[in-house]
Order: sequence, then C-alpha cells, then structure tokens
Amino acid sequence: EVQLVESGGGLVKPGGSLRLSCAASGLTFNNVWMSWVRQAPGKGLEWVGRIKSKTDGGTTDYAAPVKGRFIISRDDSKNTLFLQMNSLKSEDTAVYYCTTARELEDWGQGTLVTVSS
Amino acid sequence: QSVLTQPPSASGTPGQRVTISCSGSRSNIGSNYVYWYQQLPGTAPKYLIYRNSQRPSGVPDRFSGSKSGTSASLAISGLRSEDEADYYCAAWDDSLSGWVFGGGTKLTVL
Repeated sequence: EVQLVESGGGLVKPGGSLRLSCAASGLTFNNVWMSWVRQAPGKGLEWVGRIKSKTDGGTTDYAAPVKGRFIISRDDSKNTLFLQMNSLKSEDTAVYYCTTARELEDWGQGTLVTVSS
Repeated sequence: QSVLTQPPSASGTPGQRVTISCSGSRSNIGSNYVYWYQQLPGTAPKYLIYRNSQRPSGVPDRFSGSKSGTSASLAISGLRSEDEADYYCAAWDDSLSGWVFGGGTKLTVL
C-alpha cells in the first residue's frame, strides 16, 4: 500500500520561506513522478507542480502562480519529495498535498501552511 | 476561476441517480483523459475515476464516468448518505503544461 506523509507546514510571515517534505513508502519511489497540489481554506484543488523521475530527466514543471518562487526536488535515496517555498504570500495559505504525478492517484494527508503577519 | 467548469452543488435522495458535469476545452479534456476525485469532509482527495471511465479497485460500480468532446460527467447511482462529499474533475492541460481542476461540486444527500 502506498503511503505519503507530508510534514513541515506551519505559520510563516509574508516574504518568508518554508520547506515541506513528503516521505513515501510502498512504491518504487525513484521510478515515480511526483506532484504537489494545494487547497486554500474552503476552496478547490490547485496543482502546484511536479518532478519527473531521474530516468525521465528529473525535470520540473510549475503552475504560473508559484513559478520562480517554489522549487520541487527529490531525494531518491531517502524516498522523499520536497517543496521549497520562497517569497511566500498570503494567497499561498493552503493545505499542501503530495501526490503521485502520472495520474494523481495516491495522496498524502496534507500539511497546512499559513502565511500571515 | 477554475479552468474546468463544474456546478457548485448537486443533490439527490437516497437511491437516486445524480450526475455532475465538467466542461473544459480542446487543450485539456479535448486532448487528454479526465479524472475524478472524491473528497470527504476533512480528508484528502481520493482517486475515484481515471482515464475517463475506469474505476480503481475498491470503488463501487455505482460510480461511473464518461467523456464526450470537451466535456465529461460523473454519475452516481443508488445514492447513499456516505456519498456526501466534494467531487472534483481534473485533466492535464497541454497549453498550460499542468494539471487543471474543476472548482468542485458539493454533493448533498437529502
């Protein structure tokens, strides 16, 4: 059974940075493309970005609202996905989910990021 | 404003059949598979329908999906109280090079 466990969320001031992690188990992590999806309080789902497997180039793609501020990376030796969030804005406040990326089939439980002064 | 368009709400009584629509464009639904997710209150989204009409193991056959052109729909037959949830459609968008979602439909079982 695939398990994805996010961590690292919390309260951060506008303009600050935060790094989220997603620990994966039950899958061959180095073969899997991974994504981040977020959900603002009371709102719908919004795709943040993805990272391909290293065998497929390891490249990243980002949604327009976060491009240039967020960086997705992975450590295949630790089966862990990361989301480095910089220059945070109040509109980045959301629950952040990590998901498997090809078809968004497996989801973690999410971690809440609150951007507020 | 979401790229895919869903009605904000839907409702039905136990045992009824309800459908939820999802409208997109050539660059997303028109060119790629449609996926549906169920989000129960306070939980993460769950993979409900993939590749337009396929059900993952464990999803009851009361749930079905279809696609035609740039639109898709999710049908739930034999409605049950535990189906009360938010439902989202999604597809890859070739123009945006990213996943796009509908705004979500809140299903109420009366």
